[in-house]
Amino acid sequence: DADVTQTPRNRITKTGKRIMLECSQTKGHDRMYWYRQDPGLGLRLIYYSFDVKDINKGEISDGYSVSRQAQAKFSLSLESAIPNQTALYFCATSVSNYNEQFFGPGTRLTVL
Amino acid sequence: AQKITQTQPGMFVQEKEAVTLDCTYDTSDPSYGLFWYKQPSSGEMIFLIYQGSYDQQNATEGRYSLNFQKARKSANLVISASQLGDSAMYFCAMRGHYGQNFVFGPGTRLSVLP
Repeated sequence: DADVTQTPRNRITKTGKRIMLECSQTKGHDRMYWYRQDPGLGLRLIYYSFDVKDINKGEISDGYSVSRQAQAKFSLSLESAIPNQTALYFCATSVSNYNEQFFGPGTRLTVL
Repeated sequence: AQKITQTQPGMFVQEKEAVTLDCTYDTSDPSYGLFWYKQPSSGEMIFLIYQGSYDQQNATEGRYSLNFQKARKSANLVISASQLGDSAMYFCAMRGHYGQNFVFGPGTRLSVLP
């Protein structure tokens, strides 16, 4: 089984809809991250969390919110989706500040 | 603010040859870490190699090595003996002193030719 899982893997939604992307991990890591990937821009950080009580905004948090329900679960919400939020979204975890991040398989989101 | 620059949008290399993917960075942090990730067409992000700013030697992992030149703020990835399966997007990334986030470059698409 994959160490970092994301659901759904693909989602098509309409402008104005609320949508939640979920991330679960079995690696036991405290640190979890949400990124979006757009062509030509690499990955950009949306939110990150160092433990259940610690949530921090990243580079592009506007229009997004997150919830850290448990050490193993970190959800990303789009309260009112808009077309320019169409992207590939990745969840990642790491054991410490000095180690690599492990990525989930990604969620491809299309907002019409 | 931290920034990663990858100036090669696309690269071609012949199978079995070596290739260097460029990465330059900008940071004012006293210590930092540099990473390379591979993203094949299937979309997953695969960690390749890590270099700490205070590491005395260049990192190596199998066919991957990192040519770290601190004074020039460059961290180029060298892939030796390229294989067809190396065709993918490659991202350079860094984390700052406090590790609060990662910054990624725009990526380089490598195509290995038979």
